[in-house]
Amino acid sequence: ETGVTQSPTHLIKTRGQQVTLRCSSQSGHNTVSWYQQALGQGPQFIFQYYREEENGRGNFPPRFSGLQFPNYSSELNVNALELDDSALYLCASTQVPSVTDTQYFGPGTRLTVL
Amino acid sequence: GNSVTQMEGPVTLSEEAFLTINCTYTATGYPSLFWYVQYPGEGLQLLLKATKADDKGSNKGFEATYRKETTSFHLEKGSVQVSDSAVYFCALSPFGTNAGKSTFGDGTTLTVKP
Repeated sequence: ETGVTQSPTHLIKTRGQQVTLRCSSQSGHNTVSWYQQALGQGPQFIFQYYREEENGRGNFPPRFSGLQFPNYSSELNVNALELDDSALYLCASTQVPSVTDTQYFGPGTRLTVL
Repeated sequence: GNSVTQMEGPVTLSEEAFLTINCTYTATGYPSLFWYVQYPGEGLQLLLKATKADDKGSNKGFEATYRKETTSFHLEKGSVQVSDSAVYFCALSPFGTNAGKSTFGDGTTLTVKP
């Protein structure tokens, strides 16, 4: 059983650019959630993808968008990057529906916006 | 909306001391409750969980009991080790179709000194 993987590990961008982050879900999991973790804070829910469609969004603007592919992997896209977008971006996978609601996290992508 | 409040840190203890990290929550319905641990430069690791009132989650000597009457899920360990030094996050996740849309506390940094 493979765990959740994310790429790249680190990324440096400048303000106004666009970025794409990638996540492969744990085998057997069909749902991916994305979180933003600013330095010194807890993760904040961005959105979730289920059956290749967005299934709920947190308090993030439309310039944060995503995709889910038939193999359940997912992308997070951020347009018009701002300095405040600098953070650790975590994805987590789970199986819905399931008798357990446990989600498993990847190691994260550290994004720095200059 | 849902929210999680953790005791403010940082917490510094000597090896073999007793640990308590307080966590209270506000939620609609009956969420599942989690404790995650994050080591420097890494993603989140699930430490323990509880899915209904009076359930006790336990792992690696850590325990937490789901208290519906006090809306709490305090983390305890009888004897901490230097290797327990990390950031601990309390989180809740709705059950069912909203599983995986988690709300996190701000984290508590634990440092254990030999």
